[in-house]
Amino acid sequence: EDKVVQSPLSLVVHEGDTVTLNCSYEVTNFRSLLWYKQEKKAPTFLFMLTSSGIEKKSGRLSSILDKKELFSILNITATQTGDSAVYLCAVVTSGSARQLTFGSGTQLTVLP
Amino acid sequence: DGGITQSPKYLFRKEGQNVTLSCEQNLNHDAMYWYRQDPGQGLRLIYYSQIVNDFQKGDIAEGYSVSREKKESFPLTVTSAQKNPTAFYLCASSIGDQDTQYFGPGTRLTVL
Repeated sequence: EDKVVQSPLSLVVHEGDTVTLNCSYEVTNFRSLLWYKQEKKAPTFLFMLTSSGIEKKSGRLSSILDKKELFSILNITATQTGDSAVYLCAVVTSGSARQLTFGSGTQLTVLP
Repeated sequence: DGGITQSPKYLFRKEGQNVTLSCEQNLNHDAMYWYRQDPGQGLRLIYYSQIVNDFQKGDIAEGYSVSREKKESFPLTVTSAQKNPTAFYLCASSIGDQDTQYFGPGTRLTVL
C-alpha cells in the first residue's frame, strides 16, 4: 500500500522565522511529488518535483526531492502571517491514471 | 475565467437521504477526480474519470456514485449506504497525461 507521511503535524512560528516541512513516501512506481497549500478551501498548487537534487523555487518558498532517500522538503523563509495554512504533499504513481496519494498535511501557523 | 466550480458550498442532509454534489470545469481538462477530506487527514480518492462515459473507483468508493456524461461535469452522489458521509468534498481536474491536479473550492457536507 502506498504511503505518504508528513512531519511535523503542526508548527507554530513567528513572522520572519524560517520553516522546513518534511514529506517521506513509500510507493510503488514513483512518478512525481506535488506540494499544495490549503487555506480553508481548495488546495492550490505550489510545486511539482520529478528529479532528485533539483530545487524548485518561487519567492520565499523552495522545495527539493531526494529520490534515493524517498523524501522531500518544503522550505519557507521570512514567514508571514499569510503563510498560515495546511501544506499538503502528494505523490503521483505511474499507471493508466495519474492518481495522487496524499499525506495528512502540516498545519503551519505564523504569529505576528 | 477558467476554473472549477463546486456547488453547493455547504450542504446539510438527513440520514437516509441521497445527495448530489456538483462539479463543473471549463478548463477543457480530460480527467476529473473526487476526494474526501476529514479533519486532520489528507485527501482520499473516491472516484476518477479520464474520459467521458468512463470512470473508475478510487480507494473509498463504497456508498458513492458518479457519472460523466459531459467533459465539463462530474457530479458525485452520496448515497444512504455511505455510513459516515460528513466531510469536506473536493473535486479536481487535470490535463489527461499531466500530473498536476487543480482543485475546486469544495463542498462541506453535514449529515444531521
